[in-house]
Amino acid sequence: GAGVSQSPRYKVAKRGQDVALRCDPISGHVSLFWYQQALGQGPEFLTYFQNEAQLDKSGLPSDRFFAERPEGSVSTLKIQRTQQEDSAVYLCASSPRDRVTGYFGPGTRLTVT
Amino acid sequence: AQSVTQLGSHVSVSEGALVLLRCNYSSSVPPYLFWYVQYPNQGLQLLLKYTTGATLVKGINGFEAEFKKSETSFHLTKPSAHMSDAAEYFCAVSSYGNKLVFGAGTILRVKS
Repeated sequence: GAGVSQSPRYKVAKRGQDVALRCDPISGHVSLFWYQQALGQGPEFLTYFQNEAQLDKSGLPSDRFFAERPEGSVSTLKIQRTQQEDSAVYLCASSPRDRVTGYFGPGTRLTVT
Repeated sequence: AQSVTQLGSHVSVSEGALVLLRCNYSSSVPPYLFWYVQYPNQGLQLLLKYTTGATLVKGINGFEAEFKKSETSFHLTKPSAHMSDAAEYFCAVSSYGNKLVFGAGTILRVKS
């Protein structure tokens, strides 16, 4: 069956531009997580949804980062006024229950120039 | 607060040799522990996980890990390395089974 998909796979943005990254979880998965993976580092938690409710956004690095999941399925991570330090791979993961089981998408590599 | 320490950012083994990737964790509550593998330009693939019960966990591709509470460790092993095992490996910890805290990763190189 289809796994977690993310689009675009690669995104180049000029500093100051806004970007939107999409995550399509596995159908029926209740939980959805976003992580940020900087070059040479492990992923770091950004935010967590259970259905449409954003239950934890403690990892969002600034108020320029915003995530939504309005219908409890597809999620969008938006970054406003991108800065060079936002360059990273953004990973999405989904889970069938309120427990992480580790179904990750391929990630979106964001490069801010 | 939780944390994960992976000893050795790079590990090199010969094909057919034992693979041992070290992971130590810190958690104030009984942890859930995970090992993931990441191939270049790909997402994370779950190798194995420990939640409760048996402390020796078997995963995919011949990997296994043992949860040792007294040592706060969850080292990953494989008896015989294969060229296809070359990748980056991440250990992660979770409390109450929600968000993951990852280590910095270990790049495994397999020499022919």
